[in-house]
Formats: sequence, structure tokens, C-alpha cells
Amino acid sequence: KQEVTQIPAALSVPEGENLVLNCSFTDSAIYNLQWFRQDPGKGLTSLLLIQSSQREQTSGRLNASLDKSSGRSTLYIAASQPGDSATYLCAVRLQGYSTLTFGKGTMLLVSP
Amino acid sequence: EPEVTQTPSHQVTQMGQEVILRCVPISNHLYFYWYRQILGQKVEFLVSFYNNEISEKSEIFDDQFSVERPDGSNFTLKIRSTKLEDSAMYFCASDERAGTDTQYFGPGTRLTVL
Repeated sequence: KQEVTQIPAALSVPEGENLVLNCSFTDSAIYNLQWFRQDPGKGLTSLLLIQSSQREQTSGRLNASLDKSSGRSTLYIAASQPGDSATYLCAVRLQGYSTLTFGKGTMLLVSP
Repeated sequence: EPEVTQTPSHQVTQMGQEVILRCVPISNHLYFYWYRQILGQKVEFLVSFYNNEISEKSEIFDDQFSVERPDGSNFTLKIRSTKLEDSAMYFCASDERAGTDTQYFGPGTRLTVL
């Protein structure tokens, strides 16, 4: 059974810092990995999707990397802003399945 | 930009009552999903639906749950007899081609069972 773990559970940084969020998964036979943002009491906004054949994806200040063999992904946020404050979720899709398995998330607080 | 919509945003019900949660997936998407998130816990998969039938379901999705696509746009989740432990945020999601595409999530329905 696929398990997804995210470290740290919470992170507090001053505005302007670069930061890294970590995601690990136990079954490396994944099809893709998706990073989401969740604001309190709200839905999930997709940030980046990395296919298993890819090493990284970039969107603006966000860069996600994938090391399938070691079961790890990182989300790098450059020059953090207070508006980045949210919970960031990592989710993996196994080969042969359409469903996503989620981590518990990293709660990020960026202070002005 | 197209988005997944869900109604209602919040539903309060008494234990034992039936509830129907509604979703309108993105129009050209073919795969539909329900997930739930109990407060403070992980988002959990419930069921996936393709070509008018269930393609996968989790152990959570027991006989109390059912899904339906009653017309060309709506996708519903019915809980037949709600329990206290069904209180959660329920998310609908859709994607165009399962396994290759981004899954897009709706804003969720918060279900409170009293």
C-alpha cells in the first residue's frame, strides 16, 4: 500500500526566503506526482504535475523535482511571499490506477 | 478557465438521514472522482467513475455510498444513512485522461452530521 509522507508538518519563514518542502513515497512504481495548495477550509489548487519520466517541473517561483528511484519529491519556493501561506499537499498516482494518494501536507506560514 | 463546481458548500444533517452531494465536472473530462478529508487528516480517495460505471473504489466506499451521473453534466455522491463519522469535507475531481493528466478539484462540500 502506497504511503506518502511530507516533512516538515509545519514551517514558518520570513518573507523573501527560499524554502524546500519534502515529500516521500514508499512505492516507486508511480505514474505521476502532483503538488497542490490548500487554503484553510478551501479546495485543492493544482500547482505542478510531474510525470514519472520527468525530473522536474517549473511554474513561476515554484520548482518541483522528482527522484522516483529514491521515492522523493521536493517543492522549491523561491522568494516566498505572505500570499504563499497555505498547506501544500503532495499526491502520487500509481501505475495502473487513476486515483491519488495524498500526504498530510506541510502548513506554510510566510510572515511579512 | 474551466473549473469543477460543487453544491452545496455546506450541508448539515441529522444522523441516519440521506444526503446527496452534487458536482459539475469540467465539461470535456471523462474521469470523475470523490475524495474526502476529515478535519485534520489526509485527503482520502473514495471512488472513481468512468463510462458510467465505478472503475475503482476504496474500502471506505461501502454499501452506504453510491455515485451517479444522472445527466450529461452532474456527478453525485449519495450517502444513504449518515453516521457521525461521515462528517468531513467532500471533494469532487475530474480529469481528461486518467493516469496522464492533472486532476482538478472542486471547492468541496463540508458535511456536518449531528
